[in-house]
Amino acid sequence: EVEMTQSPATLSVSPGERATLSCRASQSVSSNLAWYQQKPGQAPRLLMYGISIRATDTPARFSGSGSGTEFTLTISIVQSDDFAVYYCQQYNKWPPYTFGQGTKLEIK
Amino acid sequence: EVQLVQSGGGLVQPGRSLRVSCAASGFTFDDFAMHWVRQAPGKGLEWVAHITWNSATTAYADSVKGRFTISRDNAKNSLYLQMNSLRPEDTALYFCARDRTGLGGWYFDLWGRGTLVTVSS
Repeated sequence: EVEMTQSPATLSVSPGERATLSCRASQSVSSNLAWYQQKPGQAPRLLMYGISIRATDTPARFSGSGSGTEFTLTISIVQSDDFAVYYCQQYNKWPPYTFGQGTKLEIK
Repeated sequence: EVQLVQSGGGLVQPGRSLRVSCAASGFTFDDFAMHWVRQAPGKGLEWVAHITWNSATTAYADSVKGRFTISRDNAKNSLYLQMNSLRPEDTALYFCARDRTGLGGWYFDLWGRGTLVTVSS
């Protein structure tokens, strides 16, 4: 099973600042890495796939990078609508499809 | 509107059974593999099961293998999760999710709103 580890668990930023979220895989997942955003009381929403491809309706301030086992989700200028929990997921080696434990982006 | 509408959750005693459903609309259901993903209260996401577009292949998390069964009825545009021998640790919000392809093995690009299953005596 591929283990996904996200850091930090909680990231406190002010609106207008840059946010950098990290995700590490226990083995290479090639480019088969996705990011999801989940707001309280809502379903997760696909943000990024293939490491760096923005899903439909994902704003350009979101970008993904990395390779192999180390990945980053960056929000260039955090807006109030971005405060949520973010999960990375690998779909390279399955079953099981595995998620990180999440990073909560909170208002500083 | 492209959406997945879930139903069938509730409170159930340990050892009993429950079936949750997911109705698809706004897209060609049998073009896509489907998944169930769950989220225990205050916890992260855990993939539960997967089924290909034609039901030829299913896969399960070890935590539910032998107890849960995923199925679909393409004529009714519906996905199901039959949960038997339920345990308190199965308590979670259960989401259905659409895979990017018919065979699965990709990311999940559409999610239902979730249905709560509570296992307690």
